[in-house]
Amino acid sequence: KAGVTQTPRYLIKTRGQQVTLSCSPISGHRSVSWYQQTPGQGLQFLFEYFSETQRNKGNFPGRFSGRQFSNSRSEMNVSTLELGDSALYLCASSLRTSGGAWEQFFGPGTRLTVL
Amino acid sequence: AQSVTQLDSHVSVSEGTPVLLRCNYSSSYSPSLFWYVQHPNKGLQLLLKYTSAATLVKGINGFEAEFKKSETSFHLTKPSAHMSDAAEYFCVVSDRGGGFKTIFGAGTRLFVKA
Repeated sequence: KAGVTQTPRYLIKTRGQQVTLSCSPISGHRSVSWYQQTPGQGLQFLFEYFSETQRNKGNFPGRFSGRQFSNSRSEMNVSTLELGDSALYLCASSLRTSGGAWEQFFGPGTRLTVL
Repeated sequence: AQSVTQLDSHVSVSEGTPVLLRCNYSSSYSPSLFWYVQHPNKGLQLLLKYTSAATLVKGINGFEAEFKKSETSFHLTKPSAHMSDAAEYFCVVSDRGGGFKTIFGAGTRLFVKA
């Protein structure tokens, strides 16, 4: 089974621009989550989508948005980029295990640099 | 409310000696707990998971962790460190009580000396 894929892997943008990141989950996984990882703040949860609906949301401003398509692929959009948005953005697809836990499988991430 | 605390930001061991990475958690419900490893410029890889079955959980690459409810701990251990274990390790708690919420610890950077 193919793993979680994220495109692009690297991206350079300038302040004020917008960016769209893409994530393709493992086949059969309906839950996709997004995280932002920075040296200062560590790993922070952005949002989670399940069957095209946003189910959970972290504490990020409205400039950060996402969506999920019927094939479970997800996109994340950041508008009006700021220098502080430079980070590694990780996508994870999840499967509920028999024990009730959600096991997450992470993609390699998209490294976004804002100049 | 959930939280997870990794007690050491950095741990340094010599190759061949034991590894102990400490994690304490709090959760309002029966938690699921995970350890992930992240090598430089890579995504996160699952090492092991606790989901209310056996309290001693064995993972990949010789790692294991023990769930201790009375101590609210889920420490990660390995009997003998290898150079390839040098990486950042994250303890994660997932709340099954209502919806899907995952909290990551701040991470522990493991250094392995030759």
